[in-house]
Amino acid sequence: GQSLEQPSEVTAVEGAIVQINCTYQTSGFYGLSWYQQHDGGAPTFLSYNALDGLEETGRFSSFLSRSDSYGYLLLQELQMKDSASYFCAVRGNYGQNFVFGPGTRLSVLP
Amino acid sequence: EAQVTQNPRYLITVTGKKLTVTCSQNMNHEYMSWYRQDPGLGLRQIYYSMNVEVTDKGDVPEGYKVSRKEKRNFPLILESPSPNQTSLYFCASSMGGFNEQFFGPGTRLTVL
Repeated sequence: GQSLEQPSEVTAVEGAIVQINCTYQTSGFYGLSWYQQHDGGAPTFLSYNALDGLEETGRFSSFLSRSDSYGYLLLQELQMKDSASYFCAVRGNYGQNFVFGPGTRLSVLP
Repeated sequence: EAQVTQNPRYLITVTGKKLTVTCSQNMNHEYMSWYRQDPGLGLRQIYYSMNVEVTDKGDVPEGYKVSRKEKRNFPLILESPSPNQTSLYFCASSMGGFNEQFFGPGTRLTVL
């Protein structure tokens, strides 16, 4: 089977940097993705890592270590609008199904 | 505008009354999927489809059916809904083999 673990909540202040961790267990691995979901909204894609290392997209970066079955999402220069839930997801088992983590609720304080 | 649409957005029904939630995408995506979202459990995949007439079970398929007769449409069918299917449902699509999924706005279903 497949499973993912994330912290349930993270709190930080505007302008700060926050890291949201994700550990996964999967038989067959086809990459780690991150999605953002604001309250009342739909998930939106943020990033994807297929290989080890850091991927940077503006204020957001995502890291993957396949040997450790671990990844993280790094958010820099936090803004109030970054308050949302963040989900990691893996595509495993022949690359056809998706499994999402339980989500991390980020609260950005003024 | 590239989008995934779902209907209805909100639905209250009673146990055992068959219902269908429609999903349509205009991006010519091969891959489509249904998820349910419940507090503390994240998004759980119900069914997915790699292309027309190709569907497969996700993690929580019990009590649901799907069909993929056309590339753009992927309806979710609950033949005999039960209260434990009360949830927020999302349809999503992506190009086959890519990880960026585009989600619909969601359907909030309440089964009494």
